[in-house]
Amino acid sequence: KAGVTQTPRYLIKTRGQQVTLSCSPISGHRSVSWYQQTPGQGLQFLFEYFSETQRNKGNFPGRFSGRQFSNSRSEMNVSTLELGDSALYLCASSPGTGFNSPLHFGNGTRLTVT
Amino acid sequence: DQQVKQNSPSLSVQEGRISILNCDYTNSMFDYFLWYKKYPAEGPTFLISISSIKDKNEDGRFTVFLNKSAKHLSLHIVPSQPGDSAVYFCAAVNAGGTSYGKLTFGQGTILTVHP
Repeated sequence: KAGVTQTPRYLIKTRGQQVTLSCSPISGHRSVSWYQQTPGQGLQFLFEYFSETQRNKGNFPGRFSGRQFSNSRSEMNVSTLELGDSALYLCASSPGTGFNSPLHFGNGTRLTVT
Repeated sequence: DQQVKQNSPSLSVQEGRISILNCDYTNSMFDYFLWYKKYPAEGPTFLISISSIKDKNEDGRFTVFLNKSAKHLSLHIVPSQPGDSAVYFCAAVNAGGTSYGKLTFGQGTILTVHP
């Protein structure tokens, strides 16, 4: 099976702009979670989608949003970018029904806000 | 509030010796714990996990120990190899609910194994 695929791998944006990141989960996985990794904060949970519905949400401002499509692919959007949004954004997928499989992560999208 | 803590930012060991990485948690609702390894420019890779109904789980060179009363877990790598050099993250989740995708991570420990 192909792994979790995230596009693009790198992004450079200017403060105030918005950005959309994409994630394709492992085939058959219905849950997609997003995490932000920064040097000082480690991996912070953003949100989780399951069957096109947001199932869990972390403590991030409303500028961070996401959605999931019927084929389980997911997108994450950040509006009005701030310098502090510079981070590695990781997507992870799992079957989503019963904790019988650990999360499988993609290689992330490195976002730099200037 | 840091619910999962890895108090050692880094650890350096000699090849062939044991590496012990530690993790503490504060949320008693956590009932499933995982260790992930991360290389630069890659996503975290699952290593090993343990349910709160167990106190030990082994997988080859990797063993995880859980002490529920102390809210402490540790990852032992024996013998350590240079290829084990990476950042190790401890993570916890309440697997009994619907929070399957909501892992709480520690801040990571950088392991360096010297030849």
